[in-house]
Amino acid sequence: GDSVTQTEGLVTLTEGLPVMLNCTYQTIYSNPFLFWYVQHLNESPRLLLKSFTDNKRTEHQGFHATLHKSSSSFHLQKSSAQLSDSALYYCALSDGTGGYKVVFGSGTRLLVSP
Amino acid sequence: DPKIIQKPKYLVAVTGSEKILICEQYLGHNAMYWYRQSAKKPLEFMFSYSYQKLMDNQTASSRFQPQSSKKNHLDLQITALKPDDSATYFCASSQRDSQDTQYFGPGTRLLVL
Repeated sequence: GDSVTQTEGLVTLTEGLPVMLNCTYQTIYSNPFLFWYVQHLNESPRLLLKSFTDNKRTEHQGFHATLHKSSSSFHLQKSSAQLSDSALYYCALSDGTGGYKVVFGSGTRLLVSP
Repeated sequence: DPKIIQKPKYLVAVTGSEKILICEQYLGHNAMYWYRQSAKKPLEFMFSYSYQKLMDNQTASSRFQPQSSKKNHLDLQITALKPDDSATYFCASSQRDSQDTQYFGPGTRLLVL
């Protein structure tokens, strides 16, 4: 079945440094939808950005990601981390067939310190 | 005004009992979902419904039963509760299907003693 892999469980950064959170996926379908959801402490997850277009950069709130179907990747990046970016980040996959299942990765906790 | 309401916010139950978690969404969405999040496991898909029909079930145990009385309601009945069921249960909705953005409710935090 479909799967999403986030290799880092915890990423710790100093404010101002660049952020990169890794996400790779597996699906047999050729047109998947990829999502990044962010969950701040004691809140519910909310969408950060999503994409289904190969090799097109998607940006929102200073974060960006590019879906690369050739490498099955959808890494999340930001040029300069802020303290408020500290949160749990989930990469997620919908297979693009119009179904009703979303597969979430195991999540990466980002901690930004002064 | 909150667009997705989950009740109760906190729930304490004894092992072996039964509880119902309530979810209502006022976003006009056609698809609704249940997720579970615990310290041991990250966000875990449980069920999806569309127009009150079960579309996907990834929960192995029959102790978890979704119930939809209206298109914008999706409750979760849990029977024979176990301590391992302790988690935060999130209800979510999307406009049409899983390709659309999921909007999550505030969650119900369940503790089974």
